[in-house]
This record gives sequence, structure tokens and C-alpha cells, in this order.
Amino acid sequence: QKEVEQNSGPLSVPEGAIASLNCTYSDRGSQSFFWYRQYSGKSPELIMSIYSNGDKEDGRFTAQLNKASQYVSLLIRDSQPSDSATYLCAVFRGRDDKIIFGKGTRLHILP
Amino acid sequence: EAQVTQNPRYLITVTGKKLTVTCSQNMNHEYMSWYRQDPGLGLRQIYYSMNVEVTDKGDVPEGYKVSRKEKRNFPLILESPSPNQTSLYFCASSLRGGHPQHFGDGTRLSIL
Repeated sequence: QKEVEQNSGPLSVPEGAIASLNCTYSDRGSQSFFWYRQYSGKSPELIMSIYSNGDKEDGRFTAQLNKASQYVSLLIRDSQPSDSATYLCAVFRGRDDKIIFGKGTRLHILP
Repeated sequence: EAQVTQNPRYLITVTGKKLTVTCSQNMNHEYMSWYRQDPGLGLRQIYYSMNVEVTDKGDVPEGYKVSRKEKRNFPLILESPSPNQTSLYFCASSLRGGHPQHFGDGTRLSIL
């Protein structure tokens, strides 16, 4: 099982709809989770962090964490063409507290 | 303006020729780290530093060295580069904690 797994996509979502990005992780001891956005040819940008089970909202972004099921997701409401990017999930591995990134999901917002 | 600055942005060199990629941040951040990004493998941490003179290995440290003599600088050293180190490299910093908050623009390294 991969340590941090994301569907590579592309995930195509119509403008104005909700984009749902998912990430699963293998180390049950992981405690810290992050979402990064990376535009093509650019460096990653931190957009969300979540540490506790449940939802965390920031503007149009909502991060959801379920430690029992070992998944973390990112919802983007009212998707805009400018949200088209690759989204990276990152997890601090429980056994040694090192950060591990998923390979990313390419999101394409259709105008 | 808060930024992480990497140099060079692009470099083509040959196997075995020592090189250094510099990284500097102007935010007084304690935490700095290096990553490489490869197609199909994603972003992987090479080394990180929690403060001056404190460094530790990430997931893929083989073939790399780092130093943290000053808080603002965190150079990545390839003593004897090999073609499998051809990659896109990112430096990052954060005020506290291990997750990167600010990334540099990246350095594209080609080792022939």
C-alpha cells in the first residue's frame, strides 16, 4: 500500500460546481495533514492544514479528516477556472514524523 | 516581500562535478527543507533543518549534503552528482513545524 495515495486524475469539474479531492494514507499514527496547490511550472503553495477529525473551512476550501478511515479530502466550492492545478496531499508519517507527499491530483475546471 | 530564493534556477552539468544550490529566506523562519520532484514519484523530502546547526535526513538523502550555519541560508550540496539526481529541486521554509509554508521557485538540475 502506498503511504499517501491520490487519484492522479485529471478530475474535470464544471465551473461553479464542487470539486472533491481525496487522499488516503497508510500510517495510522499520522497526526498532521496538509493540502498544497501547484500550478503548472510553479512551486507548491500551502492552502490548508488539518489536525483533528472533522471539517475545517477556509473561504471556498474545506478540508475533511477521518483518522479512523485514514483519509483526508479537500472540497473546493464554487470552482473557478483559476482552481485548475495539481493538488498535493501531504501527511506527517507517524512512525518517524517525516513529511510524505502524495503524487497529486490534476484538477481541471471546465468553463 | 516574504520570499525563499534559490539559485541557480537552471543548471546543466556533468557527472562528478561538485555543485551547490543555494537557498535563502528573509522571514526569519526556523525550519527549512529541500525537496526533489520527479514525474511519477511526486515531491520527496531530501533534508530538513529545524534550526541553525540542526539538520536531519528526509526520505531520500543519499547523494546530498546540507549545512545550516546561518538561520537564513540552507544550501544543498551534491558532492559527486550522478544522472539519477537530474530533477526539479525546491527549497522551502516555515516559521515552526515541519510542513513547508513557503517554497522557492525551484531549480531544474540536469546531470549529464
